[in-house]
Amino acid sequence: SYVLTQPPSVSVAPGQTARITCGGNNIGSKSLHWYQQKPGQAPVLVVYDDSDRPSGIPARFSGSNSGNTATLTISWVEAGDEADYYCQVWEPSGARLYVVFGGGTKLTVL
Amino acid sequence: VQLLESGGGLVQPGGSLRLSCAASGFTFSNYAMSWVRQAPGKGLEWVSAISGTGATTYYADSVKGRFTISRDNSKNTLYVEMNSLRAEDTAVYYCAKAGINVAVIAPLDYWGQGTLVTVSS
Repeated sequence: SYVLTQPPSVSVAPGQTARITCGGNNIGSKSLHWYQQKPGQAPVLVVYDDSDRPSGIPARFSGSNSGNTATLTISWVEAGDEADYYCQVWEPSGARLYVVFGGGTKLTVL
Repeated sequence: VQLLESGGGLVQPGGSLRLSCAASGFTFSNYAMSWVRQAPGKGLEWVSAISGTGATTYYADSVKGRFTISRDNSKNTLYVEMNSLRAEDTAVYYCAKAGINVAVIAPLDYWGQGTLVTVSS
């Protein structure tokens, strides 16, 4: 089965840039989505199709996807960005279809 | 868009439960839907998905044969029937909407607030 690998944690000071990676075999060939989840809340889609942002998501959130690594970049990090972030792909397998989530990365704003 | 889950609660191992997700604010029948769960303190785990018409369903290996996803487009409601429940099924269960009209393979652009299922004796 397909596996997405994320670092458990990333720490960054306010105003700096946070980069959260998501690794997978030839992940650059897949459409990759990112979700933000704050404590006690439902996940929110922040980047879809590798690098597009839903309406209402600040331009500080951007994404890239190439080779075996996708990256969510959060520029000018704010305290309110502190959350868990998950990457996700759809993975076909024969006649079946699966959603695969990465294990999640906890972003701490120092 | 609003998604409101209900039906969670405490159930004994081996028991059954049916969760519902009432949808509003969009043309429900045009969009695939998914169930995603999150065990306490753990990450997200996809459970199941269903096409807009309900004709096609998909399941995670961990629930295949025990859970059944369905939808009633006349009632704008998504369901999951959960049988033979195990302790490891304990989680908050979220329903989520596909972000692209008609397509099953799509980002999940709206999520409900979740309903907690606890499997314990």
